[in-house]
Parts: sequence; C-alpha cells; structure tokens
Amino acid sequence: RKEVEQDPGPFNVPEGATVAFNCTYSNSASQSFFWYRQDCRKEPKLLMSVYSSGNEDGRFTAQLNRASQYISLLIRDSKLSDSATYLCVVNRGKLIFGQGTTLQVKP
Amino acid sequence: NAGVTQTPKFQVLKTGQSMTLQCAQDMNHEYMSWYRQDPGMGLRLIHYSVGAGITDQGEVPNGYNVSRSTTEDFPLRLLSAAPSQTSVYFCASMIREHNQPQHFGDGTRLSIL
Repeated sequence: RKEVEQDPGPFNVPEGATVAFNCTYSNSASQSFFWYRQDCRKEPKLLMSVYSSGNEDGRFTAQLNRASQYISLLIRDSKLSDSATYLCVVNRGKLIFGQGTTLQVKP
Repeated sequence: NAGVTQTPKFQVLKTGQSMTLQCAQDMNHEYMSWYRQDPGMGLRLIHYSVGAGITDQGEVPNGYNVSRSTTEDFPLRLLSAAPSQTSVYFCASMIREHNQPQHFGDGTRLSIL
C-alpha cells in the first residue's frame, strides 16, 4: 500500500461543475500537506498548502483531517484551464507524493 | 535567479552505461531531492538531502547514488543503467520550514536502450 493514496481518475466534468479530490496518508508523523498541479508531464507546481482549519484560494478549497489522515481539494466553477493532474503531497521530513488525480474539464 | 537547473534535458543511454544527472539551485535551499516519474506511478522519491554532506534514501534508491558536497549541487548518478530506469527525473529544492513549497527543475527525460 502506498504511503499517500489518491484515486487516479480520470475525472471528466463539464465546465462550471464542482469537483472534489481526496487523498489519504498512512504515516501519522506527517507534518505538513500540499496540493500540487502538474500539466502534461511538466514539472509540478504548488497549488496550495493545506491547513487543519481549512483554507481557500479563489475557487479552490483545501481541507485536512488529521484524525482520519485525510486531505481534500474542492474546485468550484471548473474552467477548461483546470484540466491537469493534481498531486497530494505529504511532508514528514521528506516529501512523499501521491500518484495524482487526473481532471479533464470539457466544454 | 535561475531557480532549479537540471541538465541534460534529454538523454539516451545503452544498458550498462553510467551517467550523472546534474541539479543545481541558487536559492540557498537546505533540502534537495530527486524523483522519478513513470506513467501511472506519480513521483517517487529516489534520494534526498537535508543539507551539505547529508544524504538519505527515498522510496526507490536502488541503482542510484547521490552526493551533496555543496549546498547548491545535488547530482544523481546511475551506476549501470538498466531499461527499468527509463523515466522522467525531477530535481527539487526547498527551505526546510513547514509549509514551504518545493521548487522543481524542468525534468530530464532519460531512455535506456
């Protein structure tokens, strides 16, 4: 079992839809959490950090549940440009990536 | 300020050859790491370093060596290339404080024949 697990998808949604991605991690010593975005095998880029209190950045909302070792990302009002792979990342002294969830937003 | 620079961008090797993938950063980051990415596998950590003179193994270290003689450089060595090492390799660096992002290089696309 991978240390950081994500549903690989793909998630195919129409423009304007709301979509949610989940991620679970197995190491309770994990200290900080992130969502990264990766386009077409280019380098991953930070989308947002994830805090226990939940945090929002425009159309994106991230949540962390330490008790359940669960992280989520919600995208509202999906745009065509949101099509990408979303990577869940856990920092426990070294950064461990999930395999990524692919999102395809269609017109 | 160049960020994280990886060279080469593309490389084809024959089985059994050795080579070094270069990674350099100019942000004075303590933490540097190497990942490989294969279809359907996400990024898997090969080796990482928390500072000059310190290296440690990640999830998939076999067949790779690293060294960290300076803060700026973190080369990855393939000792005897195998077809299973065909992959896209990413180097990354970051400050070691919580919630700081990793900065990635553009990647090296490596094919082993």
